[in-house]
Amino acid sequence: DTGVSQNPRHKITKRGQNVTFRCDPISEHNRLYWYRQTLGQGPEFLTYFQNEAQLEKSRLLSDRFSAERPKGSFSTLEIQRTEQGDSAMYLCASSLAWGQPQHFGDGTRLSIL
Amino acid sequence: AQKVTQAQTEISVVEKEDVTLDCVYETRDTTYYLFWYKQPPSGELVFLIRRNSFDEQNEISGRYSWNFQKSTSSFNFTITASQVVDSAVYFCALSEAISNTGNQFYFGTGTSLTVIP
Repeated sequence: DTGVSQNPRHKITKRGQNVTFRCDPISEHNRLYWYRQTLGQGPEFLTYFQNEAQLEKSRLLSDRFSAERPKGSFSTLEIQRTEQGDSAMYLCASSLAWGQPQHFGDGTRLSIL
Repeated sequence: AQKVTQAQTEISVVEKEDVTLDCVYETRDTTYYLFWYKQPPSGELVFLIRRNSFDEQNEISGRYSWNFQKSTSSFNFTITASQVVDSAVYFCALSEAISNTGNQFYFGTGTSLTVIP
């Protein structure tokens, strides 16, 4: 079990630029989640994949955000035209089924200059 | 409305003291799971314990124990004989059976625990 892997660990970019993050879940996990965490808060749900299908998106996920999970393996989260308010830790988690613990990656910390 | 409330923002204890972290949740679902996670300064969320809504039996696992009471919608977590390595932010989370979001986790705002040597 290699755990959930996220890249990069840190991303610093200028406002208005596009950024893309990658998540490699635990290989046998078909459920994949993206969360966003800001300072002093718990993680907030962004979107959910079951295999390659994106089944739900939060209202937090504006049109500038897009996520994919081609072939039901790794996932990418892209933010276009980044804004100051996008600065946060972006967490990826995977699980085998409902009721099972979600296993989290180390996250990608995004800083917008 | 907040589905998971952790009223304690910060707690400090002296090493070897016991500490209880409070969690109150809100759901209309009769079937759900509750979790506790630890987030050390390194940042990774680490799963600690899980409980389903049909099992109110309280358990002990090593230095960890939990008190699940459906009547008060509480799922409190106790660390016995705290150690400096227990210093972290602890999150309580709820996952409901009826969901159109893949049974997402609803997290509380966390309790920051500092264990003083």
